[in-house]
Amino acid sequence: GAGVSQSPSNKVTEKGKDVELRCDPISGHTALYWYRQSLGQGLEFLIYFQGNSAPDKSGLPSDRFSAERTGGSVSTLTIQRTQQEDSAVYLCASSLTPGTGEKNIQYFGAGTRLSVL
Amino acid sequence: QKEVEQDPGPLSVPEGAIVSLNCTYSNSAFQYFMWYRQYSRKGPELLMYTYSSGNKEDGRFTAQVDKSSKYISLFIRDSQPSDSATYLCAMSAGYGGSQGNLIFGKGTKLSVKP
Repeated sequence: GAGVSQSPSNKVTEKGKDVELRCDPISGHTALYWYRQSLGQGLEFLIYFQGNSAPDKSGLPSDRFSAERTGGSVSTLTIQRTQQEDSAVYLCASSLTPGTGEKNIQYFGAGTRLSVL
Repeated sequence: QKEVEQDPGPLSVPEGAIVSLNCTYSNSAFQYFMWYRQYSRKGPELLMYTYSSGNKEDGRFTAQVDKSSKYISLFIRDSQPSDSATYLCAMSAGYGGSQGNLIFGKGTKLSVKP
């Protein structure tokens, strides 16, 4: 089947506008993660979903960031009142299930490249 | 001190060379160790996955984990121009939940010259 799909691949927005980023995980994967990759900063964890609930939101940088997941599948990351420091690549990953061994391997999408002008 | 340290390079080698990439970490709770490869403007793809200490080999790639030294390595034999990419080490303390969250190194940019 298909891998993790993210849209849009690129997004240019003006400072102060809201943006929505979408992630479609691998079919059957119950765990979904959002990461942010900034120049010189590496990948930073944002939020984790198990099914539709988010037991760990510790990486969200501010209350301007929120995410939801519906139907145990598609997830949307929303950034309100975007700032220039939000410019980064936003990556989504999914894994089959929280479990031992190969089941928790995370597979990544190609990311959404966000530029805030 | 960052939880995971990785030399960003860049690292440039001739085709056919053996490449050694490494990361050090500070959290002794880490027990799952991964290497991802990321081509420009693409998402990371998993190369190697190791649980706890030891070696794992897959074709031209060998991953080593030394938990006593908190040091992991990736060796690439007979390197090819197609290996030119950024290599990210990643690790986690457990499985699922917040313990499954991956902590990444900043990545090492590798260039293999023909």
